[in-house]
Amino acid sequence: EAQVTQNPRYLITVTGKKLTVTCSQNMNHEYMSWYRQDPGLGLRQIYYSMNVEVTDKGDVPEGYKVSRKEKRNFPLILESPSPNQTSLYFCASSRGLLEKQYFGPGTRLTVT
Amino acid sequence: AQSVTQPDIHITVSEGASLELRCNYSYGATPYLFWYVQSPGQGLQLLLKYFSGDTLVQGIKGFEAEFKRSQSSFNLRKPSVHWSDAAEYFCAVGAMEYGNKLVFGAGTILRVKS
Repeated sequence: EAQVTQNPRYLITVTGKKLTVTCSQNMNHEYMSWYRQDPGLGLRQIYYSMNVEVTDKGDVPEGYKVSRKEKRNFPLILESPSPNQTSLYFCASSRGLLEKQYFGPGTRLTVT
Repeated sequence: AQSVTQPDIHITVSEGASLELRCNYSYGATPYLFWYVQSPGQGLQLLLKYFSGDTLVQGIKGFEAEFKRSQSSFNLRKPSVHWSDAAEYFCAVGAMEYGNKLVFGAGTILRVKS
């Protein structure tokens, strides 16, 4: 079954404690992306990757890092989380920017 | 800067009534347009997309959208709404000229009353 998985689904953490949210896809997609969803703001793109070792900033990259060492995985790293990063995060993958994106189930992060 | 506007935060329609959700974009290039739907507690699912050609696009679940370049709009329509259509709908726009980013609107929450 074609799918994008994210872990964890829920996470409560404290300010400053480094965390990683994993994302994996089994469709051999080249394009992967991270979004955050906040009420009234829709989805905002954090980072995206066109292929292995190729990543670029989206509209809200501050406070986040990503890596793309393998085609299937695209982890999101928060080196020093802050309360304003409390949000719902989605990973997505597709064959390309202009193709249908497959979204993961989301990770709800709370930073206290 | 490129932007996407969904003017309606909430819309309520009766089951069986027609639906139109508005989307306006501000892009200086040829846009690629998408509509996604998010059911409660779920990820997003693509309803339809427009790249070029016929400006009326058919999608899944009986939805369609019309691209109007003169109005910079890509409104989503459905002739008869079902209770299961209650969800949040997002318009998204991309353009190769602006890199490989995809910009989403703020979303419209659709409520269906029986």
